Amino acid sequence: DSGVTQTPKHLITATGQRVTLRCSPRSGDLSVYWYQQSLDQGLQFLIQYYNGEERAKGNILERFSAQQFPDLHSELNLSSLELGDSALYFCASSGGTPWETQYFGPGTRLLVL
Amino acid sequence: AQSVTQLGSHVSVSEGALVLLRCNYSSSVPPYLFWYVQYPNQGLQLLLKYTTGATLVKGINGFEAEFKKSETSFHLTKPSAHMSDAAEYFCAVSEGGYSTLTFGKGTMLLVSP
Repeated sequence: DSGVTQTPKHLITATGQRVTLRCSPRSGDLSVYWYQQSLDQGLQFLIQYYNGEERAKGNILERFSAQQFPDLHSELNLSSLELGDSALYFCASSGGTPWETQYFGPGTRLLVL
Repeated sequence: AQSVTQLGSHVSVSEGALVLLRCNYSSSVPPYLFWYVQYPNQGLQLLLKYTTGATLVKGINGFEAEFKKSETSFHLTKPSAHMSDAAEYFCAVSEGGYSTLTFGKGTMLLVSP
């Protein structure tokens, strides 16, 4: 158990819909990262938050957004969903420095029909 | 920009045989290097990492990796494979003061009795 929790575990929805994925970091970690894992793109970094502020942005679509709340949990919002958004979405947490281990949650599997 | 190349999407070994999973990176500055393992339907778990100092790094479950700057490589090895090692392995790099990870495409390790 990494100490990072993600809800829900599975999500099935239709094209055009909007969903919210939730992540609670390990106790004491200030930084949260979101990654997308798909068969064709592999594991891709989406976005990082540090203590409530956006710190880095990767290959995140404009239809996607995220935020980190004062209690440090984070939410990833995916809107106008397309079939190609079906993937496993991971949240990870760390102290925020480049040499620290990122601890990954179990992921949310999203299926868009 | 940094990138990670993992040679071989699948590697098959017999139980008790040497495991060698290859990883090469490109980075304009000294990187931090990581190997993660993903078991089916689970999140990623850190095996080992190189930050600074000794170039031979030992990790969990008997794995080790050697950072070779001249070859821009960070290959993962284990002297004797066990059935429980069957999983997907990801090499990752962070650099430039950013803690976000760039992952390779992953290598699925298959272990036969």
